[in-house]
Amino acid sequence: AQSVTQPDIHITVSEGASLELRCNYSYGATPYLFWYVQSPGQGLQLLLKYFSGDTLVQGIKGFEAEFKRSQSSFNLRKPSVHWSDAAEYFCAVTGGGNKLTFGTGTQLKVEL
Amino acid sequence: NAGVTQTPKFQVLKTGQSMTLQCAQDMNHNSMYWYRQDPGMGLRLIYYSASEGTTDKGEVPNGYNVSRLNKREFSLRLESAAPSQTSVYFCASSDRDPNNSPLHFGNGTRLTVT
Repeated sequence: AQSVTQPDIHITVSEGASLELRCNYSYGATPYLFWYVQSPGQGLQLLLKYFSGDTLVQGIKGFEAEFKRSQSSFNLRKPSVHWSDAAEYFCAVTGGGNKLTFGTGTQLKVEL
Repeated sequence: NAGVTQTPKFQVLKTGQSMTLQCAQDMNHNSMYWYRQDPGMGLRLIYYSASEGTTDKGEVPNGYNVSRLNKREFSLRLESAAPSQTSVYFCASSDRDPNNSPLHFGNGTRLTVT
């Protein structure tokens, strides 16, 4: 069965600092991987996705993620965080189709 | 463009009461999903409908039923609510190919069962 681990429940960074959110997945074959963001009181919005090809994928709002098969990881990065990036971030995996398995989320706080 | 619309936004039920959560999408998507979100547990799939006329169980289906009324609408019913069903419920839709159509989420229904 597929699974996703987000080891950091909460992360606090200063505005302008770089950010990396960790995601490790378990899946037997090549996975489809996603990062979603959830602002308070809202549904989830897709940041970026990886299916195949270039292992560094670019998303919206200046985010990027790198797929590392050897480490079963798909970490999300942003060079310079803005106060508006404060939200909860979810990593998700599927082997195909849209039955996604989500991680437990990482709550990002941005200090001004 | 409304996307995925969920009603109601908030609901409080007493144990044993029933209710139906409504979901409609206007993107002509084939597939629709119901997730629940609980603190520290992420989102878990309750039921999904790959296409009109079909429904299947997800990870946590017990205590729920669904109806795919037509291509646009997918409802979730709690026949006899329990406190363990206190959660935030999200409806989502997509086409079958995640490469072309990732999940689009509604804004959620916050349900409290007392």
